[in-house]
Amino acid sequence: KNQVEQSPQSLIILEGKNCTLQCNYTVSPFSNLRWYKQDTGRGPVSLTIMTFSENTKSNGRYTATLDADTKQSSLHITASQLSDSASYICVVFSGGSYIPTFGRGTSLIVHP
Amino acid sequence: GAVVSQHPSWVICKSGTSVKIECRSLDFQATTMFWYRQFPKQSLMLMATSNEGSKATYEQGVEKDKFLINHASLTLSTLTVTSAHPEDSSFYICSAILETANYGYTFGSGTRLTVV
Repeated sequence: KNQVEQSPQSLIILEGKNCTLQCNYTVSPFSNLRWYKQDTGRGPVSLTIMTFSENTKSNGRYTATLDADTKQSSLHITASQLSDSASYICVVFSGGSYIPTFGRGTSLIVHP
Repeated sequence: GAVVSQHPSWVICKSGTSVKIECRSLDFQATTMFWYRQFPKQSLMLMATSNEGSKATYEQGVEKDKFLINHASLTLSTLTVTSAHPEDSSFYICSAILETANYGYTFGSGTRLTVV
């Protein structure tokens, strides 16, 4: 069964600090992995898309890594801002399917 | 970039009435759209896959007569919650695929449904 596990479930940090969110998956065959940011009461917004051959991808202060061998990904947020407070969802697509497997998300709260 | 518009963003209705939610791809054509449901602090749960010009494919446990999906054009899919009950109160989100080489999977902004 395809599964995506995220950790931690929730995280509280101070503004300006860095943090790293984790995603482990067992989706097979693997196609691509995406990180989304979901603000409360809004739809998810794409941050990064990574395919099998990509190890690192950045989008501003967001940097995603992918280790396809260990089936792990991380999302690193640098110099956090209050607007980074949101749920971050790891989404994995398997080959040949447009229906992804979602993680439960990490709820990030950035305090001033 | 690919934009998916969802309307309304929130709606309150009385028990027993029906509510229609629209999902539009604004700058691309989407032969396939998806409808999700999300409870507080939970992951998105796929309800159905909406295919242009054909019947939707519902996930196990989702009542097709309760959640009517129509995908009449390449840019519009609608979800109608029929005879709504308080337990139907939830956050509904649509998504659409941009079928390029590295296809985009774009979500709408969501609809908060409250049934009173």
